[in-house]
Formats: sequence, structure tokens, C-alpha cells
Amino acid sequence: KQEVTQIPAALSVPEGENLVLNCSFTDSAIYNLQWFRQDPGKGLTSLLLIQSSQREQTSGRLNASLDKSSGRSTLYIAASQPGDSATYLCAVHSGGGADGLTFGKGTHLIIQP
Amino acid sequence: DAGVIQSPRHEVTEMGQEVTLRCKPISGHDYLFWYRQTMMRGLELLIYFNNNVPIDDSGMPEDRFSAKMPNASFSTLKIQPSEPRDSAVYFCASTLGQGDNEQFFGPGTRLTVL
Repeated sequence: KQEVTQIPAALSVPEGENLVLNCSFTDSAIYNLQWFRQDPGKGLTSLLLIQSSQREQTSGRLNASLDKSSGRSTLYIAASQPGDSATYLCAVHSGGGADGLTFGKGTHLIIQP
Repeated sequence: DAGVIQSPRHEVTEMGQEVTLRCKPISGHDYLFWYRQTMMRGLELLIYFNNNVPIDDSGMPEDRFSAKMPNASFSTLKIQPSEPRDSAVYFCASTLGQGDNEQFFGPGTRLTVL
């Protein structure tokens, strides 16, 4: 059974810092990996999707990497801003079909102005 | 496209009552997923459909839970009878199986069972 772990569970940093959020998964036979953002009381916003054949994806100040063999992904946020404060969730799609996602518990990020 | 639409956004009910949550997936998507989010367990898959057919319902917690997808643009998740431990946020998501399988989530329904 696939298990996804996110470290740290919470992070508070001053504005402007670059930061890295970590995600690990136990079964490397994945189809893709998605990073989501969730604001308090809101739904999930997809940030980046990395296919199993890819090493990284970039969107603006966000960069996600994938090392499938070691079961790890990182989300890099450059020049953090207070508006980046949210919970970031990593989710793995295991299997060749469009099965459901297995989620980590998330990293609660606070960017101090 | 308006994205995945869920209703109601909030539902407060009393223990023992029937609850029906609704979802409209993104037009053209052929997979639909129901997830539940709680503080203790995080986000968990309950059931998913492909072309309106239930494929995997192993995540449905009990027989009190049932889901249907009568057509490509509508799905329901029903809880009967509801219990306080069912209180959670229920999300619906959809994706195109022939695409990159990126899942798009609705805003969720926050259910409170008193």
C-alpha cells in the first residue's frame, strides 16, 4: 500500500526566503505526482504535475522535482511572499490507470511579513 | 469551464438523517473521484468512477455510504444514516483518463453531523 509522508509538518519563515518542502513515497511504481495548495477552509488548487518520466516541472516561482527511484519529490518556492501562506499537499498517483491519489498530510507554511 | 462544482458547500444535519452531496465534473472528463478530508486522517479516496461506472469503492467506510453516477455530468454521495464521525470535508475531483491525468478538485462540502 502506497504511503506518502511530508516533512516538515509545519514551517514558518520570513518573507523573501527560498524554501524547500519535502515529500516521500514508499512505492516507486508511480504514474505521476501532483503538488496542491490548500488555503484555510478552501478546496485544492493544483500547482504542478510531474509525470513519472519527468525530473522536474516549473511554474513561476515554484519548481518541483521528482526522483522516482528514491521515492522523493521536493517543492522549491523561491522568494517567498506572505501570499504563499497555505498548506501544501503532495499526492501520488499509483498505477497505470487513472486511479485515485494518495495524499500526504501536508506542510502548513506561514510566511512572515 | 466552471471547474468541478459541488453542492451544497455546507451541510449541518442531525445524527440519523440522510445526507446527499452532489458533484458536477468538468465537461469531457471521464473519471470522477470522491475524497474525504479529516484532521486525523487527511485526504482519503472513497470511490471513483470511469465512464459513469464505479471502479473501486474500497475506500467507502461503511454500508451507510453509497455513491452513484447516473450520467457523465452528475454524481451523488449519500450517507444514510449519518453519524457525528462522518463530519468532514468531502471533495469531488475529475480528470481526463486519456490526458496527463491531472486531477481537478471542487471546492468541497463541509459536513457537520450533530
